[in-house]
Amino acid sequence: IAGITQAPTSQILAAGRRMTLRCTQDMRHNAMYWYRQDLGLGLRLIHYSNTAGTTGKGEVPDGYSVSRANTDDFPLTLASAVPSQTSVYFCASSDSAGGGYTDTQYFGPGTRLTVL
Amino acid sequence: GQNIDQPTEMTATEGAIVQINCTYQTSGFNGLFWYQQHAGEAPTFLSYNVLDGLEEKGRFSSFLSRSKGYSYLLLKELQMKDSASYLCAVREGDYKLSFGAGTTVTVRA
Repeated sequence: IAGITQAPTSQILAAGRRMTLRCTQDMRHNAMYWYRQDLGLGLRLIHYSNTAGTTGKGEVPDGYSVSRANTDDFPLTLASAVPSQTSVYFCASSDSAGGGYTDTQYFGPGTRLTVL
Repeated sequence: GQNIDQPTEMTATEGAIVQINCTYQTSGFNGLFWYQQHAGEAPTFLSYNVLDGLEEKGRFSSFLSRSKGYSYLLLKELQMKDSASYLCAVREGDYKLSFGAGTTVTVRA
């Protein structure tokens, strides 16, 4: 069982380009999340999905979009990248979004993105 | 939103004990998590508290006081491999996790 995989591992991108970060989980978790991690700021939630077909905005959603066509995949798209989107991006998933111990979030290995 | 505060850095000696404090302010507390994150890696789950008191898991323990908005993570018998960042995260409502900036623990021989 792989858990959560993310691709690419790292990417250097020119400003203005479109980029999709991929996230796939094989744990059949209902909920999935995208975070960015910046030095001194900790992890911040970008978007989330409680179940396939639904998505919601987190703390820092501007400039990002997501889709959840099925349970396993949760891609994050930067429509027109800007240098302030340089960060490490983590995808996470949890069994459900209803609270409780089983809703522990498990993280993928991350994507290091640099926008020049 | 919430404010989550934890120290930026701590240093301790191998075999010693270190306590990482976390204070928070929230309007809808629904659990507190501690994660460990080694440099360049993903956060990994350590502990979960939703009721007041101490949860013990081997060398790691986590304490919660909801009335004080306070938690700590206790690392005993420190090993070199415990050098990492430790993230305090508070769940508000059903799903949303808010993270502190993390505490970098350095274990010296």
